[in-house]
This record gives sequence, C-alpha cells and structure tokens, in this order.
Amino acid sequence: KNQVEQSPQSLIILEGKNCTLQCNYTVSPFSNLRWYKQDTGRGPVSLTIMTFSENTKSNGRYTATLDADTKQSSLHITASQLSDSASYICVVSALSGGSYIPTFGRGTSLIVHP
Amino acid sequence: NAGVTQTPKFRVLKTGQSMTLLCAQDMNHEYMYWYRQDPGMGLRLIHYSVGEGTTAKGEVPDGYNVSRLKKQNFLLGLESAAPSQTSVYFCASSQQGVWTGELFFGEGSRLTVL
Repeated sequence: KNQVEQSPQSLIILEGKNCTLQCNYTVSPFSNLRWYKQDTGRGPVSLTIMTFSENTKSNGRYTATLDADTKQSSLHITASQLSDSASYICVVSALSGGSYIPTFGRGTSLIVHP
Repeated sequence: NAGVTQTPKFRVLKTGQSMTLLCAQDMNHEYMYWYRQDPGMGLRLIHYSVGEGTTAKGEVPDGYNVSRLKKQNFLLGLESAAPSQTSVYFCASSQQGVWTGELFFGEGSRLTVL
C-alpha cells in the first residue's frame, strides 16, 4: 500500500528562524512529489514539484530536496515569516492504470511566533 | 479568475437528510477529485473522475455518490447523512501529466451532521 509519512506532526519556531520538514514515502511506481501549503480555512496550494531526476528545487524561501534512493524529501524554510504559519503537506504521485494517483501525507503544522 | 469553486461553503444537516455539494472548475481540466479532511487524518480521497461521464472510487467512498455530467462540474452527494460524515470537503482538479498533475483546490465546504 502506498504511504506518505511526515514529521514532525507540529512545529513551533520564532520568526526569522529556519526549519526543515521531513517526508518519507513508499509509493511505487514513483512519478513526482509535491509540497503543498494549506493556510487555515483555505485549500492547499502547490509550492514545488520534483521528479525522479531532481535533487533540489527552490521557490523563494522554500527549498525542497529529494533523495529517490532513500525515498525521502525535505522542505526547508529560510528566514521564517508569520505568514509561513500553515500546514505543509507532502503529496507523492504514482502511475496507476494510466492515471497519476496522488497519495497525501497528514501534514506538518507550522506555527511561527513573533 | 475563479479556478475551482465549491458550493455551499457551510451546511448543517440532520442525520438522514440528503444533500449535494457542487464543484465547478473553469480551467478545462480533465481530472476532478473529492476529498474529505478530518483533524489528524489529512486529506482522504472519496471519489474521482478522469473525464466527463466517468467516476471512480477512492479511499473512502462509502456513503457518497458522485456524478460528472459536464466536464466543468463534479457533484458529491450524500443520500442519508450520518454524523461520521461531519468534515471539511475539498474539491480539486488537475490536468494530468508527469510535469503537470498539480492539484488546484477549492476553498472547502464545511459540513456538520447532527
């Protein structure tokens, strides 16, 4: 069964600090991995996409890494801001029956305090 | 630029009542999905559609029915609501592909079953 595990479940940091969120997956055959940001009361929004051949991808202060051998990904947030307070969801897609079916992690809840 | 629109945003039902949630997308996407999100559980796939006139079961389909009569609309029905269906429901759409497949979410519909 395809699974995506995220850690930590929740994280509290001070504004301006860096943090790293982890994602481990057992999804096969692997197609791509996305990190989504979900603000409270809103739908998730995609931050980055990574495919098998990519190791690192940045989107502003967000940097995602992928190790396809160990099936691990991380999302690093630099110089955190209050607006970074949200849930971050790792989503891994597998090709199944001609369709790309995404498997969701349970998310990491990040709170940034001033 | 509407994207994905869900109606209604809030609804309270009594046990046994029926209702339909409507999802509309204006991006001409082929794939549409219905998810439910519960505290600590993450997003779970209820049903999805790979094109007009098609539907398929997801991870938690029991108690729900769907229809995709038009490409831009995906309806989620509850024939006899139960308290266990109290949740936040998200609709999403995507244009499939290895480099695409990004899920675009609606703002969510909060359903309470008493």
